[in-house]
Amino acid sequence: SQTIHQWPATLVQPVGSPLSLECTVEGTSNPNLYWYRQAAGRGLQLLFYSVGIGQISSEVPQNLSASRPQDRQFILSSKKLLLSDSGFYLCASLGRGGAIDTQYFGPGTRLTVL
Amino acid sequence: AQSVAQPEDQVNVAEGNPLTVKCTYSVSGNPYLFWYVQYPNRGLQFLLKYITGDNLVKGSYGFEAEFNKSQTSFHLKKPSALVSDSALYFCAVRERFGGYNKLIFGAGTRLAVHP
Repeated sequence: SQTIHQWPATLVQPVGSPLSLECTVEGTSNPNLYWYRQAAGRGLQLLFYSVGIGQISSEVPQNLSASRPQDRQFILSSKKLLLSDSGFYLCASLGRGGAIDTQYFGPGTRLTVL
Repeated sequence: AQSVAQPEDQVNVAEGNPLTVKCTYSVSGNPYLFWYVQYPNRGLQFLLKYITGDNLVKGSYGFEAEFNKSQTSFHLKKPSALVSDSALYFCAVRERFGGYNKLIFGAGTRLAVHP
C-alpha cells in the first residue's frame, strides 16, 4: 500500500509570511494527489488536486497555491498567509490501477497563523 | 452531484455495546462508498469500502458496514465497542468525471465510547 509523508507536522507562522508544505508519496507511481484543509476538527475541504506533474486544479478560490514538480511530490504554498489559513492540512493520494482505488492520507500538518 | 450525509454529530456508546454510525448517500449510478476514521491530530485511516457484491462489507479493527440500496444507506457497525474506538468517523462517496476521481466526504461523526 501507499505511504504518504508530510512535513512539517506543526507550524506556527505570522500573518503575511510565506508558506510551503510538502507531501511525498511512496508505493505507487503516477498517483492522483490532493490537498485538503480541515477546520475545527470536522469537515474536509478539498483545496487542490493533481493528475500529473505540473497539472494542478483548484477547487476553491483562495490565498493558497499548489505545485507538483515531481511525480510523487506535491507542495502547498502561499506568498502571504492570512489568519483564515489556519487549520489542519492533509495530503492524500489515489493510486492508479484497477477500476476503483482507495485514497490514502498523510499524517497532516497543523498550521497556526498568528 | 454525489453527496453523503452523516445525520449525527456525536454518538455515545458504552464499552462492550454494539455501535452504529449512520451514513446516507445520494448518487447517480452505482455508488462507491468508503468509511474513514481519524484519531486526534492524525490523518484519516481507511476502514472499508463498498464497490459491488455482498451488501455486508468487513473492514479493519472489527468494523463492518451494511450497504442498503433501498434506504440509500451505508451505516458503519461494530458488535462490541472499545474505548479505543473513540474517534471521528467520515463517510465518503466517490465522484468521477473526466477520468479524475475524488471523494466527497460527510461532515463527520464523533464516536465516544465510555468505559
